Amino acid sequence: DAGITQSPRYKITETGRQVTLMCHQTWSHSYMFWYRQDLGHGLRLIYYSAAADITDKGEVPDGYVVSRSKTENFPLTLESATRSQTSVYFCASSVAPGQGNTEAFFGQGTRLTVV
Amino acid sequence: AQSVAQPEDQVNVAEGNPLTVKCTYSVSGNPYLFWYVQYPNRGLQFLLKYITGDNLVKGSYGFEAEFNKSQTSFHLKKPSALVSDSALYFCAVRGSGNTGKLIFGQGTTLQVKP
Repeated sequence: DAGITQSPRYKITETGRQVTLMCHQTWSHSYMFWYRQDLGHGLRLIYYSAAADITDKGEVPDGYVVSRSKTENFPLTLESATRSQTSVYFCASSVAPGQGNTEAFFGQGTRLTVV
Repeated sequence: AQSVAQPEDQVNVAEGNPLTVKCTYSVSGNPYLFWYVQYPNRGLQFLLKYITGDNLVKGSYGFEAEFNKSQTSFHLKKPSALVSDSALYFCAVRGSGNTGKLIFGQGTTLQVKP
């Protein structure tokens, strides 16, 4: 199916475990983003990527790792999960600025609980 | 630094009345500005954007937004609110430069009462 999909939709993990959230888009958008949504903080940018093999930190990158070996995939890894990383995570994709419709399209989100 | 401010956590309006949700931004160069809406337990839906041109942009569901460069603002408006407009609204800014980073505000909850 065309679009942007995140998996899993729900995840419960224990403190200290490594967990990876997946994001896949079918539009061949060059840009991809990861956000976390917490009450009172809105959407905060964790990492973003301008193209395959190009990633950069956002507002809250600590404790997270990303990779982008293929244009369509942008996994987010929590190397050692902490309770403060309990959140709803959103992935998004878009074309580059100036290349037409620059709005980002969002996945349905992954609700992660760290116990 | 690139940033977005939504000064109101919540906006309350009666059905049929006009509504305004405020947004101010800071970015280097010319901004790309966006509004998104989020309904409970859903992802974000794109409403409208300003790239260039006319300062008043129209979007989905009867919403519009006015870009004001001197005040660095991009307020969301609707002439007549509906109860179904009740949701969480996010303003976002993207620089036109090479970084392409997309930054969101904290969100404003719109409550429309019958």
